[in-house]
Amino acid sequence: ETGVTQTPRHLVMGMTNKKSLKCEQHLGHNAMYWYKQSAKKPLELMFVYNFKEQTENNSVPSRFSPECPNSSHLFLHLHTLQPEDSALYLCASSQETTGTGNTEAFFGQGTRLTVV
Amino acid sequence: ILNVEQSPQSLHVQEGDSTNFTCSFPSSNFYALHWYRWETAKSPEALFVMTLNGDEKKKGRISATLNTKEGYSYLYIKGSQPEDSATYLCAFIILTGGGNKLTFGTGTQLKVEL
Repeated sequence: ETGVTQTPRHLVMGMTNKKSLKCEQHLGHNAMYWYKQSAKKPLELMFVYNFKEQTENNSVPSRFSPECPNSSHLFLHLHTLQPEDSALYLCASSQETTGTGNTEAFFGQGTRLTVV
Repeated sequence: ILNVEQSPQSLHVQEGDSTNFTCSFPSSNFYALHWYRWETAKSPEALFVMTLNGDEKKKGRISATLNTKEGYSYLYIKGSQPEDSATYLCAFIILTGGGNKLTFGTGTQLKVEL
């Protein structure tokens, strides 16, 4: 139990569906992240939120839409995805007050997404 | 584009063997390097956060060293056990305006056999 919870754990959706991934952290952290892992590729940063403000969008297509209503919750809204978007989506959080990079990230267990 | 490279990609060792992996990263604009351990069906878990050239950190049978001038870090496991089987990830840190941007390597997949 890392203190970061993701739901659902598995999701199968059609290309015309709209779905959302949810992430919740109980650690009091101020930064939250979405990562994507495709087969045989490194973990790829998608979005960074710090104090609820988006500070990084790593050239992610607009069919992925993040939302951070408060520091504890992060959503990833999915719309008209493609089969190549099938991947493991990981949420993480960290406490970033000094910006030194020396605090670890805590990860959820991920959502395994399959687009059919 | 930042390249964080890890080698080897995979490793099979026998119980009791000692082993080590390498993480190579850009040596300029270094802020921090993280090591994570990722067991199947679980979350990645931080092992070490390293910030200073020459840093050596240890947690039980696992240790890591850091050379920021030449851009590499080594992770060592002494006396490997089956429960050490996992993927070991390193991540290079770039500071953004807020929050850290971790650039991950592809990982080293370790399998420890009895």
